[in-house]
Amino acid sequence: EAGVAQSPRYKIIEKRQSVAFWCNPISGHATLYWYQQILGQGPKLLIQFQNNGVVDDSQLPKDRFSAERLKGVDSTLKIQPAKLEDSAVYLCASSFRMGDEQFFGPGTRLTVL
Amino acid sequence: LAKTTQPISMDSYEGQEVNITCSHNNIATNDYITWYQQFPSQGPRFIIQGYKTKVTNEVASLFIPADRKSSTLSLPRVSLSDTAVYYCLVGAYGGATNKLIFGTGTLLAVQP
Repeated sequence: EAGVAQSPRYKIIEKRQSVAFWCNPISGHATLYWYQQILGQGPKLLIQFQNNGVVDDSQLPKDRFSAERLKGVDSTLKIQPAKLEDSAVYLCASSFRMGDEQFFGPGTRLTVL
Repeated sequence: LAKTTQPISMDSYEGQEVNITCSHNNIATNDYITWYQQFPSQGPRFIIQGYKTKVTNEVASLFIPADRKSSTLSLPRVSLSDTAVYYCLVGAYGGATNKLIFGTGTLLAVQP
């Protein structure tokens, strides 16, 4: 079974630039999560989708971050404009349904200069 | 929101049993407790999940006392490959109370 795919794996940008991350969850998984993990900290949930609807985006900085899951499968997380403090690993995870085991992708390491 | 607290680090030797405790004093009635393992440059990997009492699977056990204000992950006979960061995750699923909060993580170092 293929795991959660993310791209790119690494990204370096300058502050005030824009960046987008892509996630392809495990086939058949209805729930998709985006996390931000700053070095030395635990993952912080940014947004959670159930199919193509948002379940929780309370910790998403909506002035600069946006995410979508238009067809209930792939998802894109965007940052515009980026700040230095956005440097982190962005993890995507999926689960068959809410409450089930989450399967994480390898993450995208973002460096903002 | 349930806030979790874990020891920052623990040391052990191969073949020993390791117990990592997570404190979650403000756990809500519909919160579950889940533990994940994370190696460097990888995403977390599910270990075990429980609601109350004891849960056991092929790799670990999870002990949750009656008041559910803490939980203990037990790893039997650890090996060098168990060196990783372990996270306690407390969260309710679905509905208006859906909140997923990872703990600070415990770095387990297993020595020969």
